[in-house]
Amino acid sequence: KAGVTQTPRYLIKTRGQQVTLSCSPISGHRSVSWYQQTPGQGLQFLFEYFSETQRNKGNFPGRFSGRQFSNSRSEMNVSTLELGDSALYLCASSLEAVNEKLFFGSGTQLSVL
Amino acid sequence: QKEVEQNSGPLSVPEGAIASLNCTYSDRVSQSFFWYRQYSGKSPELIMSIYSNGDKEDGRFTAQLNKASQYVSLLIRDSQPSDSATYLCAVRSSGGSNYKLTFGKGTLLTVNP
Repeated sequence: KAGVTQTPRYLIKTRGQQVTLSCSPISGHRSVSWYQQTPGQGLQFLFEYFSETQRNKGNFPGRFSGRQFSNSRSEMNVSTLELGDSALYLCASSLEAVNEKLFFGSGTQLSVL
Repeated sequence: QKEVEQNSGPLSVPEGAIASLNCTYSDRVSQSFFWYRQYSGKSPELIMSIYSNGDKEDGRFTAQLNKASQYVSLLIRDSQPSDSATYLCAVRSSGGSNYKLTFGKGTLLTVNP
C-alpha cells in the first residue's frame, strides 16, 4: 500500500510569491491534516480536512489556505510568502473520522528568500 | 491555548539502558495520547498510542499515562543506537469537532554505543 505522497519535495520561492503544495493520502484515508514544522516551534497544526470539508483550523493567518478534493487529495496554498514561512510542511492522513493515528508524508521543504 | 510540554533534551543514554521520556499536557479532558518518533531528516512515525490510565507495552516500548497528573511518558528498554531520534508527544483534546492533535516540541534522544 502506497504511503502519503507529497509534492514537490523541495521548493525555493521569493518573498511575495505564492506556492501550492500537494498531498495524496493513503488509499482509503479520508482525513488529511497539514502541519508546519520549524526548529523553533516544532510541529504546528495548520488545518484538517475530512470529506472535502475543513473541520479544524490552527492559528495561522489567512494567507494559509487549503482544500480537499473528492478523491481525498489535498492542496495547501500560501500566498504573499514571507521569510518566516520557510519550513517543512507535512501532510498526514488518517483512516478514521476522528483524526488520531496519523501517517505522515515526507514533507515539502519550503525556502523563502 | 492547549499546551503539550516536553524537555527538549538532548537526553543521552548508554546502549542497553532504559530511556525515559516525559510529557505533560494542559487540557485536563484530553482523551488520546500518542508518541511519534522522528529520525533526522525524516517525517514522524507513530510508535505508541494510549487511551486509559496505566501502562501499555509494545516490545521494548512502554507508554504510561496518568490523567490525574496530566502526564504521559515513554520508556524504551534495552536502548539501541537505532533509537536515536526525536520523540514527539501528541495529545488529542476532547470531543466536539476538535479533532486536531497538539504536538510537543519533542525530546532528542541519543543512545551511545
